[in-house]
Amino acid sequence: AQSVSQHNHHVILSEAASLELGCNYSYGGTVNLFWYVQYPGQHLQLLLKYFSGDPLVKGIKGFEAEFIKSKFSFNLRKPSVQWSDTAEYFCAVKGFKTIFGAGTRLFVKA
Amino acid sequence: DAGVTQSPTHLIKTRGQQVTLRCSPISGHKSVSWYQQVLGQGPQFIFQYYEKEERGRGNFPDRFSARQFPNYSSELNVNALLLGDSALYLCASSLAPQGGSGGSSYNEQFFGPGTRLTVL
Repeated sequence: AQSVSQHNHHVILSEAASLELGCNYSYGGTVNLFWYVQYPGQHLQLLLKYFSGDPLVKGIKGFEAEFIKSKFSFNLRKPSVQWSDTAEYFCAVKGFKTIFGAGTRLFVKA
Repeated sequence: DAGVTQSPTHLIKTRGQQVTLRCSPISGHKSVSWYQQVLGQGPQFIFQYYEKEERGRGNFPDRFSARQFPNYSSELNVNALLLGDSALYLCASSLAPQGGSGGSSYNEQFFGPGTRLTVL
């Protein structure tokens, strides 16, 4: 069965700190991997996606993620967060259907 | 171009009532998926429609049903509402359906703002 696990439910960082959000998935076949962001009062937006090829994927707003097949992981990173990165972040896995993780709420202190 | 639109924005119903939620996909998109997002959780897949046919169904009771119209818009119906149905209902559209491995921009999903349903 498909499943997605996000390690942290809440993360609080100061501006300029580095960010890493963990995501592990379970699926036996070929997967496509996504990170979505939901800013306060806004709808879900795609941050980045992995289909195949280079396991290091760069997305919008300075975010990147690394697919490590042996660890079934797709962690999201950003070297230096800004106050405007305060949002909820969802990891998603598309096998036969798209499954979302429970989300991580990030709060960046100015 | 307009994005995915959903109506209504907010809805308040009482237990036992029925509700219909509407979604208009991005122009040219033929696939619509519905998700339920309960507070504090990620979106959960309910249905996917492509070319007016159901292509996938999540683990939701038969009280949940949906359909897609010739213009690719879609409706989600929920009968006999329960308190636990209170959630944000999201619609997502894509050019192609989600099923199967392999990805491309054709099955990248674009989400609407959602309909906030409160059941009292």
